[in-house]
Amino acid sequence: EVQLVESGGGLVQPGGSLRLSCAASGFTFSSYWMSWVRQAPGKGLEWVANIKQDGSEKYYVDSVKGRFTISRENANNSLYLQMHSLRAEDTAVYYCARDAPWGSGWAFDYWGQGTLVTVSS
Amino acid sequence: DIQMTQSPSSLSASVGDRVTITCRASQNISKYLNWYQQKPGKAPKVLMYVASTLQSGVPSRFSGSGSGTDFTLTISSLQPEDFATYYCQQSNRSPRTFGQGTKVEIK
Repeated sequence: EVQLVESGGGLVQPGGSLRLSCAASGFTFSSYWMSWVRQAPGKGLEWVANIKQDGSEKYYVDSVKGRFTISRENANNSLYLQMHSLRAEDTAVYYCARDAPWGSGWAFDYWGQGTLVTVSS
Repeated sequence: DIQMTQSPSSLSASVGDRVTITCRASQNISKYLNWYQQKPGKAPKVLMYVASTLQSGVPSRFSGSGSGTDFTLTISSLQPEDFATYYCQQSNRSPRTFGQGTKVEIK
């Protein structure tokens, strides 16, 4: 059974940093792109970043470029999101999601339960 | 970035009703459109890939259609477990953008 379990969320002051982790199991982690997707309270979904199987390619939504870094450790089946210079608008539930090819397209086919990041003084 | 616009933003319907949600892309995305269902406090779950391919285990009352810029998700006979928020998402081009969601509520 595919499982994605996020951790590392919490309350942080504006300008602060936080590192999110996602532990993957039930599939060959090193064979898949992985993404972070966030959802502000009461709002819709926003893709944040993704990373290629070997970590050689990384992409970010414009609003987090230069502040967030996505990384992975295939030996430990783990995905990370290092967040710096946090702003109030980064407050959200952050989901780890498997980014899988489907019928020549791509979809987030498995999601974790999410971890809440609150940026507030 | 490709903008995805869903309509309506919310709707009220009764069990057994036929429900249609539309999603419009700001530019041609071919067939690269996915649909997700999200229930309160839960992670989203993928329903449909590439516009019309049902994810394994999703009931056949869900169907999808469209290509280019206009897409629809149809629930042929709404069931109690279908009350949720539905999101479309394009995978044609990065960044992978979502629609704002359609909340399906009980009438």
